[in-house]
Amino acid sequence: SQTIHQWPATLVQPVGSPLSLECTVEGTSNPNLYWYRQAAGRGLQLLFYSVGIGQISSEVPQNLSASRPQDRQFILSSKKLLLSDSGFYLCAWSVQGAVSPLHFGNGTRLTVT
Amino acid sequence: QKEVEQDPGPLSVPEGAIVSLNCTYSNSAFQYFMWYRQYSRKGPELLMYTYSSGNKEDGRFTAQVDKSSKYISLFIRDSQPSDSATYLCAMEAGSARQLTFGSGTQLTVLP
Repeated sequence: SQTIHQWPATLVQPVGSPLSLECTVEGTSNPNLYWYRQAAGRGLQLLFYSVGIGQISSEVPQNLSASRPQDRQFILSSKKLLLSDSGFYLCAWSVQGAVSPLHFGNGTRLTVT
Repeated sequence: QKEVEQDPGPLSVPEGAIVSLNCTYSNSAFQYFMWYRQYSRKGPELLMYTYSSGNKEDGRFTAQVDKSSKYISLFIRDSQPSDSATYLCAMEAGSARQLTFGSGTQLTVLP
């Protein structure tokens, strides 16, 4: 069966510091991968999605970037965090080339102080 | 007007009650409908995935889609305290990249 791992679960970082959140998927090949941010009381906002290694599409211009160095690895990064980057970040995957629902990891709660 | 509207609640019901959660949408291109359950500090978990109008049942959960009214529902029978969570509806027109979520309904089932 497929599993998705995200780490760390929680993170507190000062303003201006760098960020690296990692996500890996097991049990499937060539998945579509996604990064979402969830703000309290609001829906999920798609940040990035990827259909393959090195292929990243950005949905929202911002202080963050994403990379996919391996087929089942997806990384969310920032060079300098802002207070507004605080939130709950979720990685998700879906089957490539088919209509398929998203499957989410357990998220990283980021607090920028 | 948001593409997907979902009553945020909070909704409190006694154990054993039937719960009805609802979403309305405005985009007639939506074809695939999902319900996710999200426990506090966890990622959303897929509960139900439907395509056509009508009902789909899985255990105590029934998903209902009415495309003519642009209305979807999730019914929970014999609700349990373990059902206490936020429930998110989601829908898409055929591309997961274009998945649109409701803002979620917070449900508490009281023992």
